[in-house]
Amino acid sequence: EVQLVESGGGLVKPGGSLRLSCAASGFTFSNAWMNWVRQAPGKGLEWVGRIKSKSDGGTTDYAAPVKGTFTISRDDSKNTMYLQMNSLKTEDTAVYYCTTLSSVARGTWGQGTLVTVSS
Amino acid sequence: EIVLTQSPGTLSLSPGERATLSCRASQSVSGSYLAWYQQKPGQAPRLLIYVASSRATGIPDRFSGSGSGTDFTLTISRLEPEDFAVYYCQHYGSSSWTFGQGTKVEIK
Repeated sequence: EVQLVESGGGLVKPGGSLRLSCAASGFTFSNAWMNWVRQAPGKGLEWVGRIKSKSDGGTTDYAAPVKGTFTISRDDSKNTMYLQMNSLKTEDTAVYYCTTLSSVARGTWGQGTLVTVSS
Repeated sequence: EIVLTQSPGTLSLSPGERATLSCRASQSVSGSYLAWYQQKPGQAPRLLIYVASSRATGIPDRFSGSGSGTDFTLTISRLEPEDFAVYYCQHYGSSSWTFGQGTKVEIK
């Protein structure tokens, strides 16, 4: 079964850091371009960023609001993608999802992990 | 960055009726890299349509997508009770993704 499972969410103070993980199973993770998408409470979907497969360069792209403070990485040996979030703000409060549109697992989303930034 | 505008914001319909949802892009979407998602409360989004008109695996044929360039449409031919939800369109470009603000399909 194709599956993505996020973890690492929680409560953090403004200015703090958090690292999220996205564990993949059931498909060839190393071939997939992986994305993070977030959804603030009661709001719509917002793309956070993406990491390409290593065979396609392994490069990353980020949405403007998180560029310079969030970093995406991957460990293909562990079938896991990471989102390192630094200098967190209250407006980063959201459910964070990992997902891919790569054909190996097109349309697969995790269940999401909630990040709450509050003092 | 391509901006996607969805209309209407809310669609009030009865089961069995046809739903037509619109997504307009601020510039032409190359390769028709346009997708549609359904999201129900407390759940992750579910991919319905990709490359504007291809149904994702397991999606019923009452869902169809059409359009090209800047104008795209999601049609639900006959609404089933489980189809009442929020729908998002998405552009998945080579360097970024963008989402529309969503259309809520509610029971009239």
